[in-house]
Amino acid sequence: SQELEQSPQSLIVQEGKNLTINCTSSKTLYGLYWYKQKYGEGLIFLMMLQKGGEEKSHEKITAKLDEKKQQSSLHITASQPSHAGIYLCGADRNYGGSQGNLIFGKGTKLSVKP
Amino acid sequence: NAGVTQTPKFRILKIGQSMTLQCAQDMNHNYMYWYRQDPGMGLKLIYYSVGAGITDKGEVPNGYNVSRSTTEDFPLRLELAAPSQTSVYFCASSYSRQMKTQYFGPGTRLLVL
Repeated sequence: SQELEQSPQSLIVQEGKNLTINCTSSKTLYGLYWYKQKYGEGLIFLMMLQKGGEEKSHEKITAKLDEKKQQSSLHITASQPSHAGIYLCGADRNYGGSQGNLIFGKGTKLSVKP
Repeated sequence: NAGVTQTPKFRILKIGQSMTLQCAQDMNHNYMYWYRQDPGMGLKLIYYSVGAGITDKGEVPNGYNVSRSTTEDFPLRLELAAPSQTSVYFCASSYSRQMKTQYFGPGTRLLVL
């Protein structure tokens, strides 16, 4: 079965610094979703990537799906306290026969020190 | 649009009690999901539904039941609560098999003592 591994598990950065979170799959990724979760709240959808080499940006957050489609990275530029939270990647469970199910990584906890 | 709503936000149950976690969405989404999130374990799919009247098991369905009588609502039933069901429960929805982006509710925190 497909597994998603996120690294690092947790990250503490100084405000203003850049950072990268990785999501690596044991199988080819056909759809990769990034979510952010604040403590005690639900998941907020950030971005979806489907094509190898695809890159999307929203404000200071950029996500990329590598050419081989087995890894995605999430990069935050000039981090702010508002970026703090848990970042989760999700992927299509099965291609073709999928019922829309996603599997998720265990998350990366980001703390931003003012 | 309210999006995906869940009630209650927090609940304490005694072992053996039953309860229903409510979930509703107003986005006319066909697909709905229930997940549980345990510390350090990520999200695990409990049940999902591809439309009214159709439900199927996910990874961890034991101890839970669902029904989908309408497009909008997808309640999750715990019949005999056990301490292992202490978790945060999230409901999510998506439009279709092609449009798979899932939108999540705020969660229900359940403590079974």
